[in-house]
Amino acid sequence: QITLKESGPTLVKPTQTLTLTCTFSGFSLTTRGMRVGWIRQTPTKALEWLALIYWDDDRRYTPSLKSRLTITTDPSKKQVVLTMTNLDPVDTATYYCAHGTSAMPWTFHIWGQGTMVTVSS
Amino acid sequence: QSALTQPPSASGSPGQSVTISCTGSNSDVGAYTYVSWYQQHPGQAPKLIIYEVNKRPSGVPDRFSGSKSGNTASLTVSGLQAEDEADYYCNSYAGSSNLVFGGGTKLTVL
Repeated sequence: QITLKESGPTLVKPTQTLTLTCTFSGFSLTTRGMRVGWIRQTPTKALEWLALIYWDDDRRYTPSLKSRLTITTDPSKKQVVLTMTNLDPVDTATYYCAHGTSAMPWTFHIWGQGTMVTVSS
Repeated sequence: QSALTQPPSASGSPGQSVTISCTGSNSDVGAYTYVSWYQQHPGQAPKLIIYEVNKRPSGVPDRFSGSKSGNTASLTVSGLQAEDEADYYCNSYAGSSNLVFGGGTKLTVL
């Protein structure tokens, strides 16, 4: 059974850097075809894809936020980390990590429960 | 503003069918078969119900079906049930390693 769980700070000040961790189980990110992505949902409930990391360490970012995002993985710890720099109040959202495979390209099959992040001074 | 356009709301009575549209462009929905649909109940994470336009993951009832015509994808929920009341989101691959979402549709079962 695949599960994912996000963790990180609930409150971040503007201009600070946000670091979120996705801890997963039930699969290995070193297995061909596996991938983990980050998606956020704003208070108005809009969903926005942020980043994706593949089994071979290939990484993809949403163009509008590419300069502020870094996604990395520690397969031995079964974690994926998302870093976002220069936070702004508009980055207030619930952040989800999700699992995907090459059998479902550009689709997120299993999602974590999400972690809410508020950006405020 | 979301890249894909969905109606903010839809409704139907139990047993009826409802179709939710997802309109994009010839750079995303119209160009690729990587269109997915997600169902989200209040306080829960989104759940995948359709991928690659019309494929259902294991465990998703066949009351849920997807289709695409030109730049518009559609999700049809047949035989509406009370538990289908939720928010529904579409997404599509948009080329150049980019993925875009719709703004979501709140489905009400009357």
